[in-house]
Amino acid sequence: DQQVKQNSPSLSVQEGRISILNCDYTNSMFDYFLWYKKYPAEGPTFLISISSIKDKNEDGRFTVFLNKSAKHLSLHIVPSQPGDSAVYFCAASDNTDKLIFGTGTRLQVFP
Amino acid sequence: GAGVSQSPRYKVAKRGQDVALRCDPISGHVSLFWYQQALGQGPEFLTYFQNEAQLDKSGLPSDRFFAERPEGSVSTLKIQRTQQEDSAVYLCASTKLAGETDTQYFGPGTRLTVL
Repeated sequence: DQQVKQNSPSLSVQEGRISILNCDYTNSMFDYFLWYKKYPAEGPTFLISISSIKDKNEDGRFTVFLNKSAKHLSLHIVPSQPGDSAVYFCAASDNTDKLIFGTGTRLQVFP
Repeated sequence: GAGVSQSPRYKVAKRGQDVALRCDPISGHVSLFWYQQALGQGPEFLTYFQNEAQLDKSGLPSDRFFAERPEGSVSTLKIQRTQQEDSAVYLCASTKLAGETDTQYFGPGTRLTVL
């Protein structure tokens, strides 16, 4: 049973435009959510996080939105840059320390 | 080093061999995690240490998998009698704090291929 779902395996966006990556979860006990970025042959790199007591967190070009009633979060990247091309993983925690990851979305930003 | 390091980066084993994968967490980090990432999937939790104590090993897929962190720093994940389904990238992560949600910092992973 997949508790964290990223239903879009890939996304292609033009440079300068907005990238929106989506994530859905089923476990209402999740209270902390993170986005990781992964380049080939490297480990996941932390990008941004949000606590369940918030509905938005912003860090530079990256903003994460959380809709608890819909059990949905999204990552917005504005403006998108070619260096943003990577696989993005959504992860969730229920305060048991371990992270539950989605299957990832491959973002390609083209010139 | 400043980040989490893992060795070897690549390991090829014949089915039935034992392997040992090493993780050096960020200095001073209390918590250490192991994850398994199969091709096309997200990382899946294997086990968790707080200092030298293994507090959660619920994700270990079988008793062929064993992890230790005897001095609360370096950790080793051992897989006995490897099977083809063990082929995956094994990721290690560490966090500075314990007992609360904290950002996990990942190493580059060890890609294990079992022939």
